[in-house]
Amino acid sequence: QVHLVESGGGVVQPGRSLRLSCAASGFTFSNYALHWVRQAPGKGLEWVADVSKDGSNKFYADSVKGRFTISRDNSKNMLSLQMNSLRPEDTALYYCVREPVGTPPAFDVWGQGTMVTVSS
Amino acid sequence: DIQMTQSPSSVSASVGDRVTITCRASQDISRWLVWYQQKPGTAPKLLIYAASSLQSGVPSRFSGSGSGTEFTLTISSLQPEDFATYYCQQANSFPYSFGQGTKLEIK
Repeated sequence: QVHLVESGGGVVQPGRSLRLSCAASGFTFSNYALHWVRQAPGKGLEWVADVSKDGSNKFYADSVKGRFTISRDNSKNMLSLQMNSLRPEDTALYYCVREPVGTPPAFDVWGQGTMVTVSS
Repeated sequence: DIQMTQSPSSVSASVGDRVTITCRASQDISRWLVWYQQKPGTAPKLLIYAASSLQSGVPSRFSGSGSGTEFTLTISSLQPEDFATYYCQQANSFPYSFGQGTKLEIK
């Protein structure tokens, strides 16, 4: 069974930091690009960041560039998102998402999400 | 950056109806358009990729078409389990972007 399990969410004050993790199982982790996608309460989906299968290429949404850092550890089947200088508008459910490489791009497996609330 | 616009934002329909949702891109994205379905309290589910390719396990009543800047998702005969929110996403270039969603409600 293919699984992505996020953790690390919580309530944090504006300006503070938080690190999200995503544990993968059931597939060859290093064969896939990985992304973070978020969804604010009652709102739509927003793509946040991407890391290539070997970790060499990373892309970010303008809204998080310079504040968030995506990384992966292929030896541990783990994806991370380091979030610094958090803002209230970063409040959202954060999904870890898989994208197959070598096929037309799409997010074929999603985690259940971890909630981040930025509030004083 | 590429902006994605879906229409309508919401639609009411009955079981058995045919429903079409449109997604427009602010620039040419070839066929790199993806459709997802999301039900309340759950993660999105991949329905269609590359504009018209049905993901494995997705019922054949779902279909997609289009290229360039205009795309459609069609559900040929609505079933009770199809009432959900649908999102399009461009996967042509970073930053990837989603449409605002279309909520399909029971009439």
